[in-house]
Amino acid sequence: QAVVTQEPSLTVSPGGTVTLTCGSTTGAVTSVHYPYWIQQKPGQAPRTLIYDTSSKHSWTPARFSGSLLGGKAALTLSGAQPEDEADYYCLLSYIGGGFGGGTKLTVL
Amino acid sequence: EVHLVESGGGLVQPGGSLRLSCSASGFTFRSYAMHWVRQGPGKGLEYVSGISSNGGYTYHADSLKDRFTTSRDNSKNVLYLQMSSLKPEDTAVYYCVKGRLAREVYSGYDGDYWGQGTLVTVS
Repeated sequence: QAVVTQEPSLTVSPGGTVTLTCGSTTGAVTSVHYPYWIQQKPGQAPRTLIYDTSSKHSWTPARFSGSLLGGKAALTLSGAQPEDEADYYCLLSYIGGGFGGGTKLTVL
Repeated sequence: EVHLVESGGGLVQPGGSLRLSCSASGFTFRSYAMHWVRQGPGKGLEYVSGISSNGGYTYHADSLKDRFTTSRDNSKNVLYLQMSSLKPEDTAVYYCVKGRLAREVYSGYDGDYWGQGTLVTVS
């Protein structure tokens, strides 16, 4: 079974841009994996930000965007805000797919 | 407005059993797949199970399928997770997640709305 890989931690300056990535140990991540990005702020339940690589929910701030980049799924945050400090989890959506270990994003 | 309220968590001894419930409102429950996701203390998210809209298909993580069973009652708008032979490593917050697509086929996680979770402690 594939292991989903993410950066353990990243730091971005307020107003800056950062890209989080999501890989698979079995090969390239493509659109058929329907990548999801889930945000979890400290002490809160998770919420889904991005589905199917790049689609947004109504509650997803415009500064977040999803894409495929170099064989990985990517979540780009443009214009980081202090409230974006959170854990971000990637999930590859297929039967047997699972979550990555998460990226702790610090806005500092 | 979609609401998912988990219940049934608590303290249980190793080897014991517990049934979690997720009461759903604000959408046509019988039309959507549903999922369970858990998070151990200080740990990441782990996909536990999914169930098709009519309950005819369930998926459980390989490491859990011998001990956990997922079911639903579409007449009551409730999702269940029956857990048996519980181990200390099952200690976690268990989240109920609504599927995004209104279809009968289960094809993996497609969650959109999350509940607030219920804590299970095995000790």
